[in-house]
Amino acid sequence: QLQLQESGPRLVKPSETLSLTCSVSGGSISSTSYFWAWIRQPPGKGLEWIGSVYYRGNTYYNPSLKSRVTISADTSKNHFSLELYSVAAADTAVYYCAQEGYSQGRNFAFWGQGTLVTVSS
Amino acid sequence: QPVLTQPPSVSAAPRQKVTISCSGSSSNIANNFVSWYQQLPGTAPKLLIYDNNKRPSGIPDRFSGSKSGTSATLGITGLQTGDEADYYCGTWDSSLSAYVFGTGTKVTVL
Repeated sequence: QLQLQESGPRLVKPSETLSLTCSVSGGSISSTSYFWAWIRQPPGKGLEWIGSVYYRGNTYYNPSLKSRVTISADTSKNHFSLELYSVAAADTAVYYCAQEGYSQGRNFAFWGQGTLVTVSS
Repeated sequence: QPVLTQPPSVSAAPRQKVTISCSGSSSNIANNFVSWYQQLPGTAPKLLIYDNNKRPSGIPDRFSGSKSGTSATLGITGLQTGDEADYYCGTWDSSLSAYVFGTGTKVTVL
């Protein structure tokens, strides 16, 4: 069974960079069948897709965040990472990593448990 | 302005049926496949339906999905207390070039 686990600092200061890693077990991020995604959820609010990466490094991002986001994949460590620059209080959220499949449409079949990242001084 | 609109809440008694609507537009639902996710309190979302009406392995057939035009619908029959959760639709938006989620619907079992 595929498992994903987010890790990284839980507290980030305003204007600094949020960095998270998603470790994947029970499967390889080098699979040609999937992208790997980051999704966030502010406390008490809905879900927002941040972006996705293919194992070869191809990426696509939510245009609303594109100028502040980098997502990368490290096949040697079987993990992928998120960097969100110049964060503000509005970036406080539970950050999830997920496996993105695309049978006919895109979908997120496996999710990490999520990690709450708070932006505060 | 939300791209995909859902009712904030729906409720029904145990063993009854509920439906949750997801309203979009020609740039998303009408021309792309829809997924549905269940989020139990304090947990990560779980894929319930993909490609409009397909269920992943392990999802009971009490859950069903359909799509017509710019709207999609999730149906839950034989409602159980364990179904109390938030439900989100999601799909690709070709105009935004982004995956978008619905506003979410809270299901309450009376």
